Amino acid sequence: DSGVTQTPKHLITATGQRVTLRCSPRSGDLSVYWYQQSLDQGLQFLIQYYNGEERAKGNILERFSAQQFPDLHSELNLSSLELGDSALYFCASSVGQGMAFFGQGTRLTVV
Amino acid sequence: GQQVMQIPQYQHVQEGEDFTTYCNSSTTLSNIQWYKQRPGGHPVFLIQLVKSGEVKKQKRLTFQFGEAKKNSSLHITATQTTDVGTYFCAGGTSYGKLTFGQGTILTVHP
Repeated sequence: DSGVTQTPKHLITATGQRVTLRCSPRSGDLSVYWYQQSLDQGLQFLIQYYNGEERAKGNILERFSAQQFPDLHSELNLSSLELGDSALYFCASSVGQGMAFFGQGTRLTVV
Repeated sequence: GQQVMQIPQYQHVQEGEDFTTYCNSSTTLSNIQWYKQRPGGHPVFLIQLVKSGEVKKQKRLTFQFGEAKKNSSLHITATQTTDVGTYFCAGGTSYGKLTFGQGTILTVHP
């Protein structure tokens, strides 16, 4: 158990819909990262938050947004969903530049 | 933006053979981290290298960080079936951003 909790584990939704993925980082970790992993693909960096503020942005679509709340949990919002958005979405947390601990991921299926 | 390239994308070996994956960054890194993802699992941290030219070993795994802090390698000696999975390198910047390579999928045939 990495200490990072992601909910839900699985999500099936229709095209055009909006979903919210939730991540609770390890206790004490200030950084939260979001990654997208498509089938047999690498980890595409979406966005990073540090202590509530956006720290770095990757190739995140405009239809996607995220935030980190004062209690340090984070949410990734995906809207106007398309079939191609089907993927595993991982959240990871870390203390500064240290090792990142990954959650189990949310498997999103858009039908 | 920063890019981290990893090769090869796939590697098939017979059990007992050695395996190496290479990682190259387009920019100088603050640190390099390596992760392993088992099939159906999530990435798990293996090691972090910080110093130029650093070499670290974990049993049969040897990790190197290049002198220019732009490349790294992971070498596994005498692979075992338990080594199967995807190995990712991740380049870290001074402000904490972690950019992952595409990963090397290792298959070990018994």
